[in-house]
Amino acid sequence: QSALTQPPSASGSPGQSVTISCTGTSSDVGGYNYVSWYQQHPGKAPKLMIYEVTKRPSGVPDRFSGSKSGNTASLTVSGLQAEDEADYYCSSFAGSNTYVFGSGTEVTVL
Amino acid sequence: EVQLVESGGGLVQPGGSLRLSCAGSGFTFSSYWMSWVRQAPGKGLEWVANIKRDGSEKYYVDSVKGRFTISRDNAKNSLYLQMNSLRAEDTAVYYCARHIDTYFDNWGQGALVTVSS
Repeated sequence: QSALTQPPSASGSPGQSVTISCTGTSSDVGGYNYVSWYQQHPGKAPKLMIYEVTKRPSGVPDRFSGSKSGNTASLTVSGLQAEDEADYYCSSFAGSNTYVFGSGTEVTVL
Repeated sequence: EVQLVESGGGLVQPGGSLRLSCAGSGFTFSSYWMSWVRQAPGKGLEWVANIKRDGSEKYYVDSVKGRFTISRDNAKNSLYLQMNSLRAEDTAVYYCARHIDTYFDNWGQGALVTVSS
């Protein structure tokens, strides 16, 4: 049950794209198509942005997209906007009805 | 509108106990798995425990096994986390979250638990 590995920070200018990686193992990220991503603004609860690797809940802009290759999942935010500045966490099903989160990435809009 | 409201947080001494509650509304509470997720100050999210719709199955992260117990009362639309033998490293904001399959689609605002002498 070790945390998934994410880069501590990422940044981009408005309108640019930023991609955040989330690296696990074959027991979690690589073993299931059950990776989700959450956005968290300071002092607020997390918000679901992507589920089952690539799916977007209703209301989430299509600027947010997800993918996975092997043991690494990725979240891409295209056309960065000021309101995208937040912490982002990945999560993966880890078998036996348990879950693991990533270490978190702070996204800064320059 | 789905709402999850945690309560019961506070300051407790090491070795002490605390019980968190989470009241759900705006959805059929008994139809969903529920989880507790915590976040230590300035740190990332950590899944703590979850419970099946009817309470018949419960799962925990290794660090809380034997100390924390998750439960629910579907008649009261409520989720609970009984925390015993608390340690300084249990200090965190505790969120309750609703499951849809293998992801968490709605979260409460969180309850702060501080373990300190």
